[in-house]
Amino acid sequence: DIQMTQSPSSLSASVGDRVTITCRASQTIAKHLNWYQQRPGKGPDLLIYAAYNLHRGVPSRFSGSGSGTDFTLTISSLQPEDFATYYCQESYSTSYTFGQGTRLEIK
Amino acid sequence: QVQLQESGPGLVKPSQTLSLTCTVSGDSISSGDHYWAWIRQPPGKGLEWMGYIYYSGNTYYNPSLKSRVSISVDTSKNQFSLKVNSVTAADTAVYFCARNVWDSGSGSYQDYWGQGILITVSS
Repeated sequence: DIQMTQSPSSLSASVGDRVTITCRASQTIAKHLNWYQQRPGKGPDLLIYAAYNLHRGVPSRFSGSGSGTDFTLTISSLQPEDFATYYCQESYSTSYTFGQGTRLEIK
Repeated sequence: QVQLQESGPGLVKPSQTLSLTCTVSGDSISSGDHYWAWIRQPPGKGLEWMGYIYYSGNTYYNPSLKSRVSISVDTSKNQFSLKVNSVTAADTAVYFCARNVWDSGSGSYQDYWGQGILITVSS
């Protein structure tokens, strides 16, 4: 099984900050990596697919990079609505495993 | 606008079968353009992809759940359903249905999700 490890597990930041979240796969997954945002009580929203492709309607302050085993999600300038939990997901295996999540909180 | 809505009983007894339905609007399951998935999230925990189905009835399951899970489709009602057999307290979770895109170049991802339904397994 492929394990997905996100870091950090939680993060405090301020509006306007640049934030980076990392996701590491236990084996190579090429570019088969997606990022989601989940607000409390809601279903996740797709942000990035295939490592760096911005889903339609997602603000350009979100960006993704990486390939192989190491990936990053960057938010260039945090907005109030960005405080949420972020998950990565691999789609290389038949399990489509998610990372454990990164909770982004207001400092 | 694509919308998905989960429905089903909120409480299931241990050892029984959990049954949920997802109703899709704004897209047609029978178009064959997408797969249709179930994902769950135990309270306060992370996400687990359970499986998906194609309009033809072809299914793909998470190997860790394959022995207890089945997904079916009713194209006439534009719905798909989930069954989990022999449930225990560990199956208590919010269950989400989602539209699943599969592309040979971009891989697979879920682009529209329902709001989720909390299912509690308890006697």
